[in-house]
Amino acid sequence: GIQVEQSPPDLILQEGANSTLRCNFSDSVNNLQWFHQNPWGQLINLFYIPSGTKQNGRLSATTVATERYSLLYISSSQTTDSGVYFCAAHSGGGADGLTFGKGTHLIIQP
Amino acid sequence: EAGVVQSPRYKIIEKKQPVAFWCNPISGHNTLYWYLQNLGQGPELLIRYENEEAVDDSQLPKDRFSAERLKGVDSTLKIQPAELGDSAVYLCASSSRPGGAYNEQFFGPGTRLTVL
Repeated sequence: GIQVEQSPPDLILQEGANSTLRCNFSDSVNNLQWFHQNPWGQLINLFYIPSGTKQNGRLSATTVATERYSLLYISSSQTTDSGVYFCAAHSGGGADGLTFGKGTHLIIQP
Repeated sequence: EAGVVQSPRYKIIEKKQPVAFWCNPISGHNTLYWYLQNLGQGPELLIRYENEEAVDDSQLPKDRFSAERLKGVDSTLKIQPAELGDSAVYLCASSSRPGGAYNEQFFGPGTRLTVL
């Protein structure tokens, strides 16, 4: 099945800083999603982005499907942005669920 | 619009006891998924339903795990008997698949199981 790798595994930033999270995947995708898992464990949908670029407030994402990677940008970080960010993909073959990366643990310090 | 609902949110049981988790998907979503999330890891798929049919259960440990989705809406995931290694968060997700096309998945808050 598809492999999903995220980097960096951990990231500590000061409030107000910008960050870029990367997701590499091993096969063509027909579904790619970014999630934020909050401290209570809830997976919050950030972007559904199998290709192209989307923006939502301080967050934006770009998926370059031909090169098999996706980037999540967070600008002007706030302490509430802390948590684990997951990239998840589906390639159309094998199990028909999302394959998740191991996540990026982001800590925003005041 | 209500999101995916799961209950209970937390469950503590002793090993060898049975346990069941319940999920109500977003209204109109015909596809329902159960995932397992171990500490420090991303969720992993256990089973997928299209309406009431389990179309992918290859990752479900069938010796002790079972699932059902009667009437193609709510779903129940059961473990009997539970083992210490089953301690994890069990997540339910749903999506709509108009014309069979893949679509965005939405997750419930999960059930955190602790087996003592």
